[in-house]
Amino acid sequence: AQSVTQPDIHITVSEGASLELRCNYSYGATPYLFWYVQSPGQGLQLLLKYFSGDTLVQGIKGFEAEFKRSQSSFNLRKPSVHWSDAAEYFCAVGDNNYGQNFVFGPGTRLSVLP
Amino acid sequence: SQTIHQWPATLVQPVGSPLSLECTVEGTSNPNLYWYRQAAGRGLQLLFYSVGIGQISSEVPQNLSASRPQDRQFILSSKKLLLSDSGFYLCAWSLDRGTDEQFFGPGTRLTVL
Repeated sequence: AQSVTQPDIHITVSEGASLELRCNYSYGATPYLFWYVQSPGQGLQLLLKYFSGDTLVQGIKGFEAEFKRSQSSFNLRKPSVHWSDAAEYFCAVGDNNYGQNFVFGPGTRLSVLP
Repeated sequence: SQTIHQWPATLVQPVGSPLSLECTVEGTSNPNLYWYRQAAGRGLQLLFYSVGIGQISSEVPQNLSASRPQDRQFILSSKKLLLSDSGFYLCAWSLDRGTDEQFFGPGTRLTVL
């Protein structure tokens, strides 16, 4: 079965600074990869997803992510963070081969300083 | 377009009382349905999923149960709540269980006192 790690539990950045949230996965085949965002007290919203093709994926709210097979990573980036980006971010991996499982990482909490 | 509803939004219950949380999906047919729980400051824990009416798979042994009486209705229940059942409960749906994104409801905040 696949697994997902997000090495950073909590990240703090200043408004206007660039952001990179790390996601590493373990999976035997080409993964289906997702990033979600959760504002406090809310459900999760999909930011972007990768299935195949171009390894740089554009999402909503100015986010992008890059799939690097050699590093088993799918890091989320944003060139300039806004105060409204403060939230919890979850990486997820889907599986269409073995158990059809969908696994979420533990999440990274982003704080934004004014 | 598809929408997912959860109610109630907030619930405060005494220990030992029963529980019923409801989730309904509109605008799609035969969805895969999921119940997750988030304890305070923790990640998502998958509790149950369902691939069809009456078909429930449990991921974690606990005093909770789930039912799917209709195609787009998913219910989370308990006969007797424990303090440890407190948390944020999220319902989600997807078309394909392994490869499609999951769409989440707004969640229910449950506090057991």
